[in-house]
Amino acid sequence: ETGVTQSPTHLIKTRGQQVTLRCSSQSGHNTVSWYQQALGQGPQFIFQYYREEENGRGNFPPRFSGLQFPNYSSELNVNALELDDSALYLCASSSAGGGANVLTFGAGSRLTVL
Amino acid sequence: GQSLEQPSEVTAVEGAIVQINCTYQTSGFYGLSWYQQHDGGAPTFLSYNALDGLEETGRFSSFLSRSDSYGYLLLQELQMKDSASYFCAVKGRGGATNKLIFGTGTLLAVQP
Repeated sequence: ETGVTQSPTHLIKTRGQQVTLRCSSQSGHNTVSWYQQALGQGPQFIFQYYREEENGRGNFPPRFSGLQFPNYSSELNVNALELDDSALYLCASSSAGGGANVLTFGAGSRLTVL
Repeated sequence: GQSLEQPSEVTAVEGAIVQINCTYQTSGFYGLSWYQQHDGGAPTFLSYNALDGLEETGRFSSFLSRSDSYGYLLLQELQMKDSASYFCAVKGRGGATNKLIFGTGTLLAVQP
């Protein structure tokens, strides 16, 4: 079975720009969640998508938005980038619609905002 | 709110045993998980405890005491490849999401 794949692996943006990160969930998984991991910190929950709808959100502003597609893949969009948005963005998938005890993470997209 | 505390760094030698502690504060408890993350890589699930006691998976074991809001990860027969960051995590309020609250992580350095 394939794992969680994310793209791009690295990218550099400037303040005020917009970015789209992509995630393909593990085969058989229907739920995707996104996390932000700043350097030296643990991952922080951004939001979760199930059945193409957001069904859980962390403490992130509305300029962080997402989509889930019928094939369960997902996008994370961040508008009006700020320097503090520089981080590793992790996608995690599971099969239980939110009741999972095990998440499968991708290797992440490392975003640098200059 | 919800928070987790872990030691920031631990150093041990190959073949040794190391214990990484985690204390948590949470309103509502849905289980304690452990993840391993090699430098810049994907966090990988190690173990999950919903009930008190010890869970063993090969060289790794995890313990939970709900009355003490405390758990630990025990790594035996340490290998160089075990050098990584280890995170404890609790499920966020509301069991309907995969919202995990992570600790800040423990960087384990295994020396020869």
